[in-house]
Amino acid sequence: DQQVKQNSPSLSVQEGRISILNCDYTNSMFDYFLWYKKYPAEGPTFLISISSIKDKNEDGRFTVFLNKSAKHLSLHIVPSQPGDSAVYFCAARVYSGGGADGLTFGKGTHLIIQP
Amino acid sequence: DGGITQSPKYLFRKEGQNVTLSCEQNLNHDAMYWYRQDPGQGLRLIYYSQIVNDFQKGDIAEGYSVSREKKESFPLTVTSAQKNPTAFYLCASSITVLAKTGELFFGEGSRLTVL
Repeated sequence: DQQVKQNSPSLSVQEGRISILNCDYTNSMFDYFLWYKKYPAEGPTFLISISSIKDKNEDGRFTVFLNKSAKHLSLHIVPSQPGDSAVYFCAARVYSGGGADGLTFGKGTHLIIQP
Repeated sequence: DGGITQSPKYLFRKEGQNVTLSCEQNLNHDAMYWYRQDPGQGLRLIYYSQIVNDFQKGDIAEGYSVSREKKESFPLTVTSAQKNPTAFYLCASSITVLAKTGELFFGEGSRLTVL
């Protein structure tokens, strides 16, 4: 049972345009959501996060929006650059209070930025 | 430089052999994790440890074993009982109780291929 879903395996966007990556979740206990970027044969690197009490967080070209009622979040990248081509994972956390039990990841979306 | 070091980067194994993947961190993080990534799949949690001499099973622990004798080290053994061990293995760490976002820091990964 997938608790974090990324329904688009791939997305192609022209350089300079906006990239929008989507993520849906089912567990109402998630309190933090994170986006990771991953290049082939490398470990994922943290990109941006958002607390469940907020609806928007911005960091430079990256903005994450959270719609709790729809259990949906999205990552906006604007403008898109060639170096943004990578696999993007959406992840979520349930904070148990006793420690960090790890993150639940979606299957990832492969973003391809075309020149 | 602080970070997470995984070794070896590539490993080949014959069926029936146990192999151990190394993970060392010098970030002074309390928690460490092992994830597995398969093509088209997200990252799935194998084992995690919040403190020395303690570890917990993740979602896909069968056929794997771990130890946490030192804070810096969290080796993963892929045993012959693991039915489909060929995968990309990622080690990660995080601060636990004080963590606000649950952000994980990942190593570069180890690719295991069973011949």
